[in-house]
Parts: sequence; structure tokens; C-alpha cells
Amino acid sequence: KAGVTQTPRYLIKTRGQQVTLSCSPISGHRSVSWYQQTPGQGLQFLFEYFSETQRNKGNFPGRFSGRQFSNSRSEMNVSTLELGDSALYLCASIRTGGNGDTGELFFGEGSRLTVL
Amino acid sequence: AQSVSQHNHHVILSEAASLELGCNYSYGGTVNLFWYVQYPGQHLQLLLKYFSGDPLVKGIKGFEAEFIKSKFSFNLRKPSVQWSDTAEYFCAVKPYDKVIFGPGTSLSVIP
Repeated sequence: KAGVTQTPRYLIKTRGQQVTLSCSPISGHRSVSWYQQTPGQGLQFLFEYFSETQRNKGNFPGRFSGRQFSNSRSEMNVSTLELGDSALYLCASIRTGGNGDTGELFFGEGSRLTVL
Repeated sequence: AQSVSQHNHHVILSEAASLELGCNYSYGGTVNLFWYVQYPGQHLQLLLKYFSGDPLVKGIKGFEAEFIKSKFSFNLRKPSVQWSDTAEYFCAVKPYDKVIFGPGTSLSVIP
């Protein structure tokens, strides 16, 4: 089955702009998580969505937001971009086992954002 | 706060050497445990996982990990590494809600 698809793969923005990233999970997966990956910080959890509802949120400022649609596709938005927002943004589709969410993640290739 | 630590930031080994990467977490309840690998230029992929049962789990490419509940540890091992194992390795823990990742260990294998 098709994997997790993230678009765009690469983008360059300037400080103060805003950006929207898109994620299509594996067919049948209803949960999506977003992570920010940087060399110094590793993977930092942004938020998780399940059935169009935000289920968990990480410790990021309100400039970072997200949503999920009825078809399980998800978007995240970062407003008023700062230089420190330059990172690889990863979306993960979550595998749900017989007892619920196992936490097994299937990652996309990421969207690499550069803020100038 | 819940956290995951990995003992080494960067490990350099020669081919055929044995590998052990340490991982500890700070949550006292039931957890699901994972190791993910990111090969150069590729996306993160699951190496192995532990949910319950036998604390010694085997994953892909000859990797295994041992869960020691009393030590809150989930160390990754491989008896003989290959050049193709050069990658970044992430330990991850899922307590009751989100999956938390360790900072990663970069492994370089020298032919």
C-alpha cells in the first residue's frame, strides 16, 4: 500500500511569512503525528490528530498549528516564520492495533523548510 | 517530564565489530518501545518494537533489543555491523499518549 506522502518536499521562506505543509497518511490509518527534526534537538513532537481532533500537543508556540480532514489528510501551518523554524518536518501515520493505538509510526520523507 | 535518553551521540565502529546502543526512559508505567533507523537520504523506518512478552525482541537486518524493566532500558544490539548500517538510530517510547523520541545516535561504520 502507498506510504505516507508529504508535500512539498522542499521549500524556502523568509522571516515573517507563513507556511502550510500537507500530509496524506497510509490508507486506513486515521491518526497522524507531526514532528520537527533538527540536528541539535532530534525529533520534537508537535501534535497528533485522530478523526479530525487534536489528541495531543507538544511544547511549541501557538504559531504552530494543524488540522486533520475527514479523509485523514492533515496539514500543519507555521505563521510568522523565524530563522529557528528551519527544520525537517515529519509526518507519521499511526498504526492502530487490536487494542487501540500501538504507537507504531510510519514516516513520510518530510518537508524540509529553510527560513531565510 | 517524560524523557528518553540515548547514551552516545556518535559511535564509530569498524566492520564486523559488535554494536550496543543504550536507551533509557523516565516513565514508570507500561510503555511501548521502539527503535527507528534513518539511513542517509532516507525516511525514518521501524527497526524493531516491544509491546509485551519476551523482553528480547528481534528486528530487521540482524538487530535485536532487550527490554529491562527494572532499569527502564531498551538497548539495541547487533553482533557484527556492516558498512550499510551507517545511519542515525532513534529510540522511542510511547507511554499512555504520544511517542517520545531520544536525541538519536549517529553510527558510522568504517569498511
